[in-house]
Amino acid sequence: GAVVSQHPSWVICKSGTSVKIECRSLDFQATTMFWYRQFPKQSLMLMATSNEGSKATYEQGVEKDKFLINHASLTLSTLTVTSAHPEDSSFYICSARPQGGYYGYTFGSGTRLTVV
Amino acid sequence: QQQVKQSPQSLIVQKGGISIINCAYENTAFDYFPWYQQFPGKGPALLIAIRPDVSEKKEGRFTISFNKSAKQFSLHIMDSQPGDSATYFCAASKKLQGTSGSRLTFGEGTQLTVNP
Repeated sequence: GAVVSQHPSWVICKSGTSVKIECRSLDFQATTMFWYRQFPKQSLMLMATSNEGSKATYEQGVEKDKFLINHASLTLSTLTVTSAHPEDSSFYICSARPQGGYYGYTFGSGTRLTVV
Repeated sequence: QQQVKQSPQSLIVQKGGISIINCAYENTAFDYFPWYQQFPGKGPALLIAIRPDVSEKKEGRFTISFNKSAKQFSLHIMDSQPGDSATYFCAASKKLQGTSGSRLTFGEGTQLTVNP
């Protein structure tokens, strides 16, 4: 089945630094990947849709300059949290849909970001 | 605007009992309704999904009931087990205009606890 690998699974960084999170589709090509943010005991909030070879589409209220998304290949999308602050601490999850597939969303295992 | 409403927020059942989680949607353009299971610190995993042209789908102990006219769908977990204790999210998907893509809208989630 479709597998999405997300790395790292957890990261601690200092305020003001940047952190990069990788999302890889291991056994399929994904023209579209999604990035979500989840706070404790809450639902997943879509942050942005990442399209291979083009600019990401951000949801309303999500700062484009703070959350940089790059989808340089059909198997890799990255989310970079720039100038991180404690309020950016959260659980970040990526999702990918196989090329040509419409319904099959597969999620990564998530990244716990803690900014101190 | 919350397009998918989920209830209850939390649910406690005894081992062997039936767990029932309900969702209601507003947008008739939704054409795919998946349920996801999420364990603490992990990404969501697809449990079962249904299309609106079907009123019921069963996979093992998990059944989705779908009522198109009422715009409601529910997840039934038969013979609930302690290992089923997790957070369950319903979701709905619709095609994005002008593209071949789609996006998921999640419900608020239900924390299920199955007591031994």
